[in-house]
Amino acid sequence: EAQVTQNPRYLITVTGKKLTVTCSQNMNHEYMSWYRQDPGLGLRQIYYSMNVEVTDKGDVPEGYKVSRKEKRNFPLILESPSPNQTSLYFCASSLGQEDYEQYFGPGTRLTVT
Amino acid sequence: GQSLEQPSEVTAVEGAIVQINCTYQTSGFYGLSWYQQHDGGAPTFLSYNALDGLEETGRFSSFLSRSDSYGYLLLQELQMKDSASYFCAVRQPATNKLIFGTGTLLAVQP
Repeated sequence: EAQVTQNPRYLITVTGKKLTVTCSQNMNHEYMSWYRQDPGLGLRQIYYSMNVEVTDKGDVPEGYKVSRKEKRNFPLILESPSPNQTSLYFCASSLGQEDYEQYFGPGTRLTVT
Repeated sequence: GQSLEQPSEVTAVEGAIVQINCTYQTSGFYGLSWYQQHDGGAPTFLSYNALDGLEETGRFSSFLSRSDSYGYLLLQELQMKDSASYFCAVRQPATNKLIFGTGTLLAVQP
């Protein structure tokens, strides 16, 4: 089954404790990205990657890191989480950078206390 | 800056037709996409307009007018399961960033 998976689905952590949210797709997609969703603000792009070893900042990259060492994986790293990073996070992928249909993962609900 | 504006909430009854508008200010884009998101779920792709005009996919249609910086999603024969949030989105050629609208919460009432 073609899909985007994320882990964990739910995470409660404390300020400053490094964490990684994994994202994997099995569709051989080139374009992958991370979003955060907050009430009233819609989906905001954090980082995106157009291919292996190619990443770039979205609209809200502060406090986040990403890497793209393999085509299928695009982990999101929070080196020192803060409460303002409490949010619902989505990973998504699409066939290419001009492809308009994105496939979203199930989401990761992160709470930082 | 770049922004996409949508009404925050729309309410309609089963069987009716509803239109969700999206007005945008961007410095160029490939086309306008629409996504549906049920509460707590992942957004799912609905439709895409690369060119001006109407695109129809079953009960859903989407329209784009680049000259008016405006698009809309039209939902016909509304069903209870259509209750969800709907987002418009554009991808900018210069940066490849994807920008989403603020979303419209559609409530379908019996």
